Amino acid sequence: EAGVAQSPRYKIIEKRQSVAFWCNPISGHATLYWYQQILGQGPKLLIQFQNNGVVDDSQLPKDRFSAERLKGVDSTLKIQPAKLEDSAVYLCASSLGRTAGTGELFFGEGSRLTVL
Amino acid sequence: QKEVEQNSGPLSVPEGAIASLNCTYSDRGSQSFFWYRQYSGKSPELIMFIYSNGDKEDGRFTAQLNKASQYVSLLIRDSQPSDSATYLCAAGWDSGAGSYQLTFGKGTKLSVIP
Repeated sequence: EAGVAQSPRYKIIEKRQSVAFWCNPISGHATLYWYQQILGQGPKLLIQFQNNGVVDDSQLPKDRFSAERLKGVDSTLKIQPAKLEDSAVYLCASSLGRTAGTGELFFGEGSRLTVL
Repeated sequence: QKEVEQNSGPLSVPEGAIASLNCTYSDRGSQSFFWYRQYSGKSPELIMFIYSNGDKEDGRFTAQLNKASQYVSLLIRDSQPSDSATYLCAAGWDSGAGSYQLTFGKGTKLSVIP
């Protein structure tokens, strides 16, 4: 079974530029998450989708971050304009959900962003 | 605000010893608890999950949950150098529509010394 796919793996941009990350969850997983992990910290939830609807985006900095999951499968996270403090690994995760599974999150390899 | 607290370490144990990792959580509504291992530069991978009070064993790993104290721990027996990693504790709850949401701690860095 294929895991969670993310791209690009690495991205270096200048501040005020824009960047987009793509995620394809495990087939059949209805729930998709984007987490931000700054070096030395634990993952912080940015947004959670259930199918193509948003469950929680309370910690997403909406003035610069946006995310979509139009067809309920893959998702894109965009940052525009980027700030230095956005340097982090952006982790995409998917889950079967509470009723269908254990609630376990399966993570992709992550997209490492460096903002100069 | 749901929070998960962990001692960031580093925790150093000799090879073959028992490593004990702990975390506390703030929300009594949390329903499930997860331990993830994260090697440097890699993504988190699940080690164990636990829902009920008490102990749950899986090979060299034992998770312990005490909901009254809002405390979760992970014991690693016969620690190996390959266990050296950051261990993330996470608390989960039903976020609606049948989906779960997990809040992670900052992680405890474990070093197993040969």
